[in-house]
Amino acid sequence: LAKTTQPISMDSYEGQEVNITCSHNNIATNDYITWYQQFPSQGPRFIIQGYKTKVTNEVASLFIPADRKSSTLSLPRVSLSDTAVYYCLVGVILTGGGNKLTFGTGTQLKVEL
Amino acid sequence: NAGVTQTPKFQVLKTGQSMTLQCAQDMNHNSMYWYRQDPGMGLRLIYYSASEGTTDKGEVPNGYNVSRLNKREFSLRLESAAPSQTSVYFCASSSRTGNTEAFFGQGTRLTVV
Repeated sequence: LAKTTQPISMDSYEGQEVNITCSHNNIATNDYITWYQQFPSQGPRFIIQGYKTKVTNEVASLFIPADRKSSTLSLPRVSLSDTAVYYCLVGVILTGGGNKLTFGTGTQLKVEL
Repeated sequence: NAGVTQTPKFQVLKTGQSMTLQCAQDMNHNSMYWYRQDPGMGLRLIYYSASEGTTDKGEVPNGYNVSRLNKREFSLRLESAAPSQTSVYFCASSSRTGNTEAFFGQGTRLTVV
């Protein structure tokens, strides 16, 4: 399984753009890159998934360079409610269906006024 | 839709006692997972079931057993609880297609004394 490395913590202020970079040097051809968000005392919540280039949805963008050895989650104009732990995952699509998702330690994002 | 439902939400066990954590999903997902999360740590995969009728070990399976009762339900059993199993347990499910979006339950907070 591809191992991921991301910063332990980041601080930001409301209204700023936050970019969290994840390294996954051993990513395999079939692996997707996925980001999750977790608030205290809650289960993780899916944010965005990508395979290559750029993906954007209503809450975030995901930038993946051509070699796919890293990815960057971009959160535009963060607010206090974006304070959470963000996990970068590299998922394996299992033979027969499903995905084996392995979580790392995540990045604790703290947003202040 | 309820999504992923876990029972119980809280449990205190004495060392050596057994119990089963229940998980059910109503999204017709093929794959289901059990994770544990220790304080300040990321999630670690205990067992997963890629599809009905199959189960496989994750990163930390020792001391646990699972049953994929049917497509909806995936239970986790602790045969002889130990203090090291004090943790928050999350159940999750995902669809079969090439999509790494998993849906998590609210968690079971287990304390073994």
